[in-house]
Amino acid sequence: NAGVTQTPKFQVLKTGQSMTLQCAQDMNHEYMSWYRQDPGMGLRLIHYSVGAGITDQGEVPNGYNVSRSTTEDFPLRLLSAAPSQTSVYFCATLRTVQTSGAGKQYFGPGTRLTVT
Amino acid sequence: SQQGEEDPQALSIQEGENATMNCSYKTSINNLQWYRQNSGRGLVHLILIRSNEREKHSGRLRVTLDTSKKSSSLLITASRAADTASYFCATDRTGTYKYIFGTGTRLKVLA
Repeated sequence: NAGVTQTPKFQVLKTGQSMTLQCAQDMNHEYMSWYRQDPGMGLRLIHYSVGAGITDQGEVPNGYNVSRSTTEDFPLRLLSAAPSQTSVYFCATLRTVQTSGAGKQYFGPGTRLTVT
Repeated sequence: SQQGEEDPQALSIQEGENATMNCSYKTSINNLQWYRQNSGRGLVHLILIRSNEREKHSGRLRVTLDTSKKSSSLLITASRAADTASYFCATDRTGTYKYIFGTGTRLKVLA
């Protein structure tokens, strides 16, 4: 099992450009989410999904779009990149069904994004 | 605003000593979790404590939860150099899947 994978690992964008950060999981987890982490800070929730076709906003959703067409994939789209979006982005999954492992989040390795 | 706040922000101890870090939060929660992050990497889940639990152990980790004070503590006993990392608490508000992370404690264990 690959767990949670993210691509790309690094990306540099110019202000106004668009791009999609990819996240994929092979654990059949219902819940997927995107966080951003700024230097010296904790993670802030951008968007999350509790299943295919269902998404909702987190703490800092502005400037980002998501969709969830399959259980496995949860892409994050930046429509018009801004320098304030320079950050490290993490995707995470968890099982919501009440089993012994429920609630534990599994994180991808992250994507380092720089917007100039 | 972030729900979880941790203290201290940074902690430096000698190998073999115990490390204690604290987390406070603001609203009712389903559970509280602790994660470790090695420099620049993804977070790794350490332990989860549910809102109806008061104490939980896992190996060298001991977590307590006081819902009346909306606070939790993580104790790492007999620390090792490999424990050097940042530690974050995370909570999910009751009835939601919106997880809020604290600002973290940077632990440095000196060999």
